[in-house]
Amino acid sequence: GQQLNQSPQSMFIQEGEDVSMNCTSSSIFNTWLWYKQEPGEGPVLLIALYKAGELTSNGRLTAQFGITRKDSFLNISASIPSDVGIYFCAGQGTGTASKLTFGTGTRLQVTL
Amino acid sequence: DAGITQSPRHKVTETGTPVTLRCHQTENHRYMYWYRQDPGHGLRLIHYSYGVKDTDKGEVSDGYSVSRSKTEDFLLTLESATSSQTSVYFCATDSGANVLTFGAGSRLTVL
Repeated sequence: GQQLNQSPQSMFIQEGEDVSMNCTSSSIFNTWLWYKQEPGEGPVLLIALYKAGELTSNGRLTAQFGITRKDSFLNISASIPSDVGIYFCAGQGTGTASKLTFGTGTRLQVTL
Repeated sequence: DAGITQSPRHKVTETGTPVTLRCHQTENHRYMYWYRQDPGHGLRLIHYSYGVKDTDKGEVSDGYSVSRSKTEDFLLTLESATSSQTSVYFCATDSGANVLTFGAGSRLTVL
C-alpha cells in the first residue's frame, strides 16, 4: 500500500511558539487531510486540501498541499495549551477506488 | 461526534472468544469504515462498506469480518479474538467526499 511519512513524531514546545509538521508520500495524492485527536476521542477534521499548491487556513492553523502532490504541511501559530493532541495527515491516491492512507501522527505537547 | 455511536466503548475479553463491535450512525452516510489504531502505526483500515450488504477488505482484514444489514449500522466481528487484536477501534463514515467523520472509539483488550 501507499506509505506516508509524518514528521516529527513528537514535539514539546512552549506556549506561544509556532509549530510546523509535514507529511511526505512515495506516490501522488489527490487529496490531503489533516486531523487532530485528543485523548479518549476520535480524530477530528481540521483542514481538507484538494488542489496542488492550495493553501488553506482554519484560525491559527494553516495547511498546504505540496506542489509535487507528494507532500503536505501543517503550521500552527502562537500555540496554546488546548493545541495538545496527536495530529494526523491523511491522503487519498489517484485511483478511483483509493481509500485514505493515514500518517503515524505527530504528538504535540505544549508547556506553559 | 454525536452522529456516530460506537459500542461498547471498552471491552476486556479472553483469547479465543468472539467479539462484536457496533457502529451506529444517524448521518445517513453511504460509506462506513472500521479502523484500528496502534502505537507507531497510526490508523489502519480493516474493512469498509459502500452500501447495505456491500463490504470490502482493507489493509489489515485478517481475523475480522463485517456486516451491514442497514444503512445506519456497521458491525465488526472478531470470530476468535487474539492478543494481537488488542487495540483501539474506530468507526468512521463518509458522505461521499472522502472526508471521514470518526466515532469516539472502542478500546478492546484481549487477555
